[in-house]
Amino acid sequence: GAGVSQSPSNKVTEKGKDVELRCDPISGHTALYWYRQSLGQGLEFLIYFQGNSAPDKSGLPSDRFSAERTGGSVSTLTIQRTQQEDSAVYLCASSFMPGLETGELFFGEGSRLTVL
Amino acid sequence: QQQVKQSPQSLIVQKGGISIINCAYENTAFDYFPWYQQFPGKGPALLIAIRPDVSEKKEGRFTISFNKSAKQFSLHIMDSQPGDSATYFCAASLDSNYQLIWGAGTKLIIKP
Repeated sequence: GAGVSQSPSNKVTEKGKDVELRCDPISGHTALYWYRQSLGQGLEFLIYFQGNSAPDKSGLPSDRFSAERTGGSVSTLTIQRTQQEDSAVYLCASSFMPGLETGELFFGEGSRLTVL
Repeated sequence: QQQVKQSPQSLIVQKGGISIINCAYENTAFDYFPWYQQFPGKGPALLIAIRPDVSEKKEGRFTISFNKSAKQFSLHIMDSQPGDSATYFCAASLDSNYQLIWGAGTKLIIKP
């Protein structure tokens, strides 16, 4: 498809297990963001990738969270030793380039993570 | 100084009425103000955006009003329809910066 693709759409895991969430951005989009959205809440910035630049990891809540982006395309968000408070929808967004009208973010449908 | 404050948290409007959502910011350097619309189970999608060199921008039934001196901007939905029921997020950023500063969201319900 032409949109941002995220997988899995739903993930249920046990506390303490590791999870990987995948994001396939729109082809040609150089910017990629990960956000976290808890139930009924706003968007919490996690990490930003732009081209080959060093990512902005300032939003990662703890060292259990990490993300990588291979070949400037697909990104994986990894949460190690999951905790119940990690339960949320993880949203990925991509953009052709940052800034003004060209900076529209295109979001995927999210990966809903439930930690039991 | 980086906050964007959005109100109300939730809003119920009768079909055909006007829905109004407000946002206030502190950083006068912000120069891009988008609104995103999110339906349940979906990611947010850009609805409409404005730059501070204009006071109003209209796209169909959706209008952004911008008050630079008051550091406020608002979304008006005219002739609100049940299909407009969604969560709306305002945001702000610097043109030179990739980071959007998001409001907390407003859950809008349009009653038929």
